[in-house]
Amino acid sequence: DIQMTQSPASLSASIGDRVTITCRASLNIASYLNWYQQRPGKAPKLLIFGASSLQSGVPSRFTGSGSGTEFTLTITSLQPEDFASYFCQQGHSTPWTFGQGTKVEIK
Amino acid sequence: QVQLQGSGPGLVRPSQTLSLACTVSGASISSGSYYWSWFRQSAGKGLEWIGHFYTSGTTDYNPSLRDRVTISADKSDNHFSLTLSSVTAADTAVYYCARGIGDVGGYGSFDNWGPETLVIVSS
Repeated sequence: DIQMTQSPASLSASIGDRVTITCRASLNIASYLNWYQQRPGKAPKLLIFGASSLQSGVPSRFTGSGSGTEFTLTITSLQPEDFASYFCQQGHSTPWTFGQGTKVEIK
Repeated sequence: QVQLQGSGPGLVRPSQTLSLACTVSGASISSGSYYWSWFRQSAGKGLEWIGHFYTSGTTDYNPSLRDRVTISADKSDNHFSLTLSSVTAADTAVYYCARGIGDVGGYGSFDNWGPETLVIVSS
């Protein structure tokens, strides 16, 4: 299985802050990396696919970058609705696997 | 607009079989290139892919669950189902059905999810 390691596990930030979350794959997955947002009691929501493509309807303050084994999700100018958990997921091969998540909390 | 809705019993006895169904609206499970999938999430194991039914009819399962899992589809009724046999407390989790993209422009991503279905394994 491809292991996905996400960091940090949690972070505290203020409205308007720039936030960066990192995801590392245990082997080269090219650009087959997806990012999801999950609010409590809700299903994950796709934000970014193919490492850097913004899913339809997702605000442009969310950006993804990276390829191979190192990837980042950046939220520029954090908004109140962005306080949630974020997960990376490799779409390279089954079994599809996820990072352990990053919880973004209000400072 | 694609919508998925999972359903099934919220309580399953240990050693019994967990059965969930996912009804799909706004898309046909037999058209396009999609992975009609099941996931689960628990505090101890995070998000875990269980398996999927591909529109071509093939299935694939997580090796960690393969000997206990079956995913099937009812194309006439446009729904797909999950059965997990010999459950234990470790199978207690929130379960999700979702649609995965099997084509360029999002391959391996999951763009539509049903709401959570909590399943508790307890006697």
